[in-house]
Amino acid sequence: AQKVTQAQTEISVVEKEDVTLDCVYETRDTTYYLFWYKQPPSGELVFLIRRNSFDEQNEISGRYSWNFQKSTSSFNFTITASQVVDSAVYFCALSVRGQGAQKLVFGQGTRLTINP
Amino acid sequence: NAGVMQNPRHLVRRRGQEARLRCSPMKGHSHVYWYRQLPEEGLKFMVYLQKENIIDESGMPKERFSAEFPKEGPSILRIQQVVRGDSAAYFCASSPIRLKNTEAFFGQGTRLTVV
Repeated sequence: AQKVTQAQTEISVVEKEDVTLDCVYETRDTTYYLFWYKQPPSGELVFLIRRNSFDEQNEISGRYSWNFQKSTSSFNFTITASQVVDSAVYFCALSVRGQGAQKLVFGQGTRLTINP
Repeated sequence: NAGVMQNPRHLVRRRGQEARLRCSPMKGHSHVYWYRQLPEEGLKFMVYLQKENIIDESGMPKERFSAEFPKEGPSILRIQQVVRGDSAAYFCASSPIRLKNTEAFFGQGTRLTVV
């Protein structure tokens, strides 16, 4: 079964704190892609990162960093020095092989609230 | 360089009416995916289309829902005889090739409210 679990439903921190959003996935595929999306209060989905299963290097982009650990099937997302504008729902997703297609399986999302 | 365009952004329908949701993919993209987001939930895949073809509709309810992506014009997700449980945000995504090697670009969604 293909599945993405984001165990943290809601997280609330004070501005400037670091925060890590967890993502655990299940797949039988040996080749797959993992994604993170941000959904701000306005509702659109903003792409943050794509990582393929062969690349276990951690990635940093400004205050954002991602830790991909194939051994534990996890793809965690850390925001350093959080800001109020980071408040959003964050989704982790896995691309799986469908009927001749690749489609995304999303986790339930983590609602992150950054308090001033 | 317009992104994925969905319209309308908000749609209100009475029970029993039809809802038509439109999605214009990014320029040069021939693959379209529709997802549904129920309140407080993640997105669930509904259907994957290429121009004039439905490739994967495994997530689409068997009744009342249909999708098309004609040779000319936007992709349309059609919901007939809407019920309150159809109230959700419907997102469209497009990609230039199969999703395997690229990310899907999402539209801003259509929020359907059935009253």
